[in-house]
Amino acid sequence: GAGVSQSPRYKVAKRGQDVALRCDPISGHVSLFWYQQALGQGPEFLTYFQNEAQLDKSGLPSDRFFAERPEGSVSTLKIQRTQQEDSAVYLCASSLIRYTEAFFGQGTRLTVV
Amino acid sequence: SQQGEEDPQALSIQEGENATMNCSYKTSINNLQWYRQNSGRGLVHLILIRSNEREKHSGRLRVTLDTSKKSSSLLITASRAADTASYFCATDAADDKIIFGKGTRLHILP
Repeated sequence: GAGVSQSPRYKVAKRGQDVALRCDPISGHVSLFWYQQALGQGPEFLTYFQNEAQLDKSGLPSDRFFAERPEGSVSTLKIQRTQQEDSAVYLCASSLIRYTEAFFGQGTRLTVV
Repeated sequence: SQQGEEDPQALSIQEGENATMNCSYKTSINNLQWYRQNSGRGLVHLILIRSNEREKHSGRLRVTLDTSKKSSSLLITASRAADTASYFCATDAADDKIIFGKGTRLHILP
């Protein structure tokens, strides 16, 4: 596709519910990043993939967060047993190779009620 | 944790004036990228400047990089109402992260 696509754009989850957020990177992009952005703050790094390999997951806030990219293209960020503090915008970015321009999707706004 | 820190946190200027935002960071980098974000929307990539570059231009945007001072600046010339947004610098170091600052909120007054 022309850009990074994320779905859904908006998600309301009841506390304790599991959610899955999808990211379709730009075709052919090797690197893929996930970020969490709270209101009024800068994006916070969650995890990084190179193809299907998750090379860094140091930013995942707890073991309730899990990300995968099984075929080196589409990625899914899963949050189990959502809590109110998980409410944020989740952003996905991809770049052709490491250390090149990273392009972001529109994000998924998650609200946990 | 955030490596880049933008300064100022907020900036209001008259339309037509130039806007300058600064970014400081802590560790050695491979490159630095600037992004714009309109309220409630995604991040738009503006410019990438590599560690061996000192200045880069794109339209009304001018970015400088001083690796000895670990700082960068973004200059927007002849500002327009549509430039109202938050601007972020993002540092790309030798690890597997691109780290963002907290951003500068720019408001262009009519």
